[in-house]
Amino acid sequence: GENVGLHLPTLSVQEGDNSIINCAYSNSASDYFIWYKQESGKGPQFIIDIRSNMDKRQGQRVTVLLNKTVKHLSLQIAATQPGDSAVYFCAENIFWDSNYQLIWGAGTKLIIKP
Amino acid sequence: DVKVTQSSRYLVKRTGEKVFLECVQDMDHENMFWYRQDPGLGLRLIYFSYDVKMKEKGDIPEGYSVSREKKERFSLILESASTNQTSMYLCASSLTQIHSDSNQPQHFGDGTRLSIL
Repeated sequence: GENVGLHLPTLSVQEGDNSIINCAYSNSASDYFIWYKQESGKGPQFIIDIRSNMDKRQGQRVTVLLNKTVKHLSLQIAATQPGDSAVYFCAENIFWDSNYQLIWGAGTKLIIKP
Repeated sequence: DVKVTQSSRYLVKRTGEKVFLECVQDMDHENMFWYRQDPGLGLRLIYFSYDVKMKEKGDIPEGYSVSREKKERFSLILESASTNQTSMYLCASSLTQIHSDSNQPQHFGDGTRLSIL
């Protein structure tokens, strides 16, 4: 919603440049990671996912990199466009209390400068 | 495409009322979830369900209950609404992810912005 962006880390990028959004996760047992995009007034939208047996996965204009050694995840957006303005969330999937659950990051607000 | 539909985009209720938030998904997903989203706190899981008539508590279940009588529908109930339950409520669904090889992403509705006066 319209208040999602409050108190969030913000990344400002020039239109046409590449964007890199970073995320640190805490649980070394996490085996699946997801990036979501949330535009104002909408629910989170799935962008791309990666399993722990991979280091890199590419989609259309997006790449996710996973560094398990330092427990770090990044989302790279190529040739950033105005429509990429949103809050981006990473989520890690862990097996906890007999079920798989998603642990969500706080989000990063991406602002595109014209 | 997966479609998760929440019955209301905006809802205003009074303190003490019993409130029902409805969510329907059209992809025959086993799993359904209810979150609330507040500024600075991100998404917090209230309840989830892995099958019809099954429910599990999430991180913040107090003050809420859920109902899953049919596979496609998952309802969130505020038994006696309070002002601290004013929030954005998000419903999600996913295919079963019992085994790590079959991890599947959650797909979200557009949310219900609930205000309790």
